[in-house]
Amino acid sequence: QITLKESGPTLVKPTQTLTLTCTFSGFSLTTSGVSVGWIRQPPGKALEWLAFIYWDDDKRYIPSLKRRLTITKDTSKNLVVLTMTNMDPVDSATYYCASIVGATSFDYWGPGFLVTVSS
Amino acid sequence: QSALTQPRSVSGSPGQSVTISCTGTSSNVGAYNYVSWYQQHPGKAPKLMLYDVTKRPSGVPDRFSGSKSGNTASLTISGLQAEDEADYYCCSYAGSYTSWVFGGGTKLTVL
Repeated sequence: QITLKESGPTLVKPTQTLTLTCTFSGFSLTTSGVSVGWIRQPPGKALEWLAFIYWDDDKRYIPSLKRRLTITKDTSKNLVVLTMTNMDPVDSATYYCASIVGATSFDYWGPGFLVTVSS
Repeated sequence: QSALTQPRSVSGSPGQSVTISCTGTSSNVGAYNYVSWYQQHPGKAPKLMLYDVTKRPSGVPDRFSGSKSGNTASLTISGLQAEDEADYYCCSYAGSYTSWVFGGGTKLTVL
């Protein structure tokens, strides 16, 4: 059974750095073709893909936020970490961790994690 | 503004069919057969319903089908059921630089 779960701070202040952790089970990020990443959804708005890391450590970022994002993995602990610098209230959103395992798109998702940016 | 354009809302009665369109460009939908669709109920995580335009993950009913023509992909739900009422998002691969783009979402109401 494949599961993913997001964790991190629920509240961050403007200009601070957000660090989110995705802990997963049921698959390995060392398996060819597998990837894990992050997608966010502001309240009442659409999904927005942010970043993904592949089994071979290749990394992809949304161009508009690339300078603020860093994604890393720890395959021994089955986790993926996303950092986003210089947080702003517009970054308030539910952040989802998702994987590409058996399909060519995001086939497994975590329950989501609400992050609020406010002073 | 989302990279892919979807109608804000669609509706249908139980048993009917509805189609949701997803219009992109020659750089995303038109360039790759990596269009996927997600169902999202309120307060829940999205669920993959279709990928590679037409493929259904295990457990997704065959009432859900997909197609693509040019820069527009479509999701068709036949035999509408009350539990199909949800938001639906399309997504397309857009190349190694942009990677993935989503649509703005469509709210499906089952009358």
